[in-house]
Amino acid sequence: GAVVSQHPSWVICKSGTSVKIECRSLDFQATTMFWYRQFPKQSLMLMATSNEGSKATYEQGVEKDKFLINHASLTLSTLTVTSAHPEDSSFYICSAQKGLAGDTQYFGPGTRLTVL
Amino acid sequence: AQSVTQPDIHITVSEGASLELRCNYSYGATPYLFWYVQSPGQGLQLLLKYFSGDTLVQGIKGFEAEFKRSQSSFNLRKPSVHWSDAAEYFCAVGPGTASKLTFGTGTRLQVTL
Repeated sequence: GAVVSQHPSWVICKSGTSVKIECRSLDFQATTMFWYRQFPKQSLMLMATSNEGSKATYEQGVEKDKFLINHASLTLSTLTVTSAHPEDSSFYICSAQKGLAGDTQYFGPGTRLTVL
Repeated sequence: AQSVTQPDIHITVSEGASLELRCNYSYGATPYLFWYVQSPGQGLQLLLKYFSGDTLVQGIKGFEAEFKRSQSSFNLRKPSVHWSDAAEYFCAVGPGTASKLTFGTGTRLQVTL
């Protein structure tokens, strides 16, 4: 199998605080991990691509200082939403890619972030 | 730039009926094509994928999809829908030499008993 987990599954925080979301590939090493954001009843929007040991590549319009991504190992990537505001409330989904470019991405179950 | 169009926002079918979800893509070279399913509040589960070879691909849960290059389509089909198939279905395309996926806007499937 190819299982990807996310923690926490949901989080509620106050405006101005920071929240960290973890993404782990449980039974494989992920060369690349991706972070997506999904608004209610909409599609997934790619936020950034992260490779282990290097800086993440952010999509146009995504604030690097707002959404900090750390890919510390081949099985763990973290997304930190800094100084969160209500407009950051969303469903954040990560995916991990097993092997070569173009190979299948396996998705985590997502993290529901609500900023009050 | 690559893009994916899923023309149907919402489809309702009766249990036991056949299903076809449409997906059209735009990409300059041979695409990598995927269908994912998302249940409420859940992440995405891969149903099937096409990279090359046989244009009719079989997936999990009895789904299949056919790649038609001439029509730039990759429609998802199932001969007999079950109530548990009710979910959101996303078509995605990725380039062959990189990994970024572009998703369609999704089709919400409702199954009536």
